[in-house]
Amino acid sequence: GQQLNQSPQSMFIQEGEDVSMNCTSSSIFNTWLWYKQDPGEGPVLLIALYKAGELTSNGRLTAQFGITRKDSFLNISASIPSDVGIYFCAGISSNTGKLIFGQGTTLQVKP
Amino acid sequence: EAGVAQSPRYKIIEKRQSVAFWCNPISGHATLYWYQQILGQGPKLLIQFQNNGVVDDSQLPKDRFSAERLKGVDSTLKIQPAKLEDSAVYLCASSLVSLGRETTNYGYTFGSGTRLTVV
Repeated sequence: GQQLNQSPQSMFIQEGEDVSMNCTSSSIFNTWLWYKQDPGEGPVLLIALYKAGELTSNGRLTAQFGITRKDSFLNISASIPSDVGIYFCAGISSNTGKLIFGQGTTLQVKP
Repeated sequence: EAGVAQSPRYKIIEKRQSVAFWCNPISGHATLYWYQQILGQGPKLLIQFQNNGVVDDSQLPKDRFSAERLKGVDSTLKIQPAKLEDSAVYLCASSLVSLGRETTNYGYTFGSGTRLTVV
């Protein structure tokens, strides 16, 4: 089946550092979404990307929809302790219209 | 607006027992989804409803899982009988429109989930 390969699997960084994570697939997606999940909670949408090449920001977060429509990245600038959590990429398949999630990137921030 | 409500938050059962989860979506959201999230993995879609009709249940293990949304509002997901590998968080989500359509505002919101432990 279709899969999203998300990397890195986990990151441990110092407060104030910038963070980058990405998602790749062998399939084409119409939409890319980035979610954050805190312990004991459901995923919360951070950024949605609708067009190839699109670059979108939300505060300290920036995400891009790859030109090939097969990848996306998320950057977090000047990380703070509350950025801790699991970040998921998700894509809407151009073939099936289904929303598929990556495996997640666990982010830990050291104060 | 109120979010997606799920209950219970936690459930521990023995294998071969039955269990049911409840979800009340955001008012006015026509589309409702049930996802299974196994520890360390991303959510996996089990079933999608549009109003009270099933749109996609291709990944629902129908020999033991069932779901209904009789009045097109709240929904229940049942497992009977449960297996050890069913231990997971079961997330409910709702949206204004189906994600298969073009839209600039998905209004796609997850509940806090029900954590199921099968022992």
